[in-house]
Amino acid sequence: AQKITQTQPGMFVQEKEAVTLDCTYDTSDPSYGLFWYKQPSSGEMIFLIYQGSYDQQNATEGRYSLNFQKARKSANLVISASQLGDSAMYFCAMREGPSFGNEKLTFGTGTRLTIIP
Amino acid sequence: IAGITQAPTSQILAAGRRMTLRCTQDMRHNAMYWYRQDLGLGLRLIHYSNTAGTTGKGEVPDGYSVSRANTDDFPLTLASAVPSQTSVYFCASTRDKVAVNEQFFGPGTRLTVL
Repeated sequence: AQKITQTQPGMFVQEKEAVTLDCTYDTSDPSYGLFWYKQPSSGEMIFLIYQGSYDQQNATEGRYSLNFQKARKSANLVISASQLGDSAMYFCAMREGPSFGNEKLTFGTGTRLTIIP
Repeated sequence: IAGITQAPTSQILAAGRRMTLRCTQDMRHNAMYWYRQDLGLGLRLIHYSNTAGTTGKGEVPDGYSVSRANTDDFPLTLASAVPSQTSVYFCASTRDKVAVNEQFFGPGTRLTVL
């Protein structure tokens, strides 16, 4: 079974609209972490946001927020007021087990987001 | 050097040749990782190292080997390259003992095996 599932291979969104990128995960470990990364066309991997399994509140970082629904095992990324520079590939990833400086990640297959002017 | 550097940036390699991808970080991070990125498959972990002198296998280790002689360097070797190893390879590292331990990635190496 896939540990991280991103069901949207591609999305087109009008500039200034909000966008939600879906991510569901599968783990039996009570301690885990969820990450979102952005990969622009230049190829580098940029960390966006993190949610720990024990965090009570949804994570937010500027225009990024993570809609964490633990019972449904989903960790959707929400980008508010999208910009042309948000066009990129977005990856959801999971660390299983507590964080002890060993952060092996399992990645989803990604969603390619295109912002339309 | 600032962060993680990888060399070469890109390489075209004949099948059967040996190749070492280099990765160096200057952040004194103990843990380091190698991933490969293939279209439609995302990033998959090849090997990792929790600290200098130790290494472990990831999801797709076959055909690859690593060493970790010191904290800064984590080379990935393809002993006898095959076309299925055509991919983009990313090296990454993580800090110790922080609440949010995201991975810091290098710029990647694009490898083509013919």
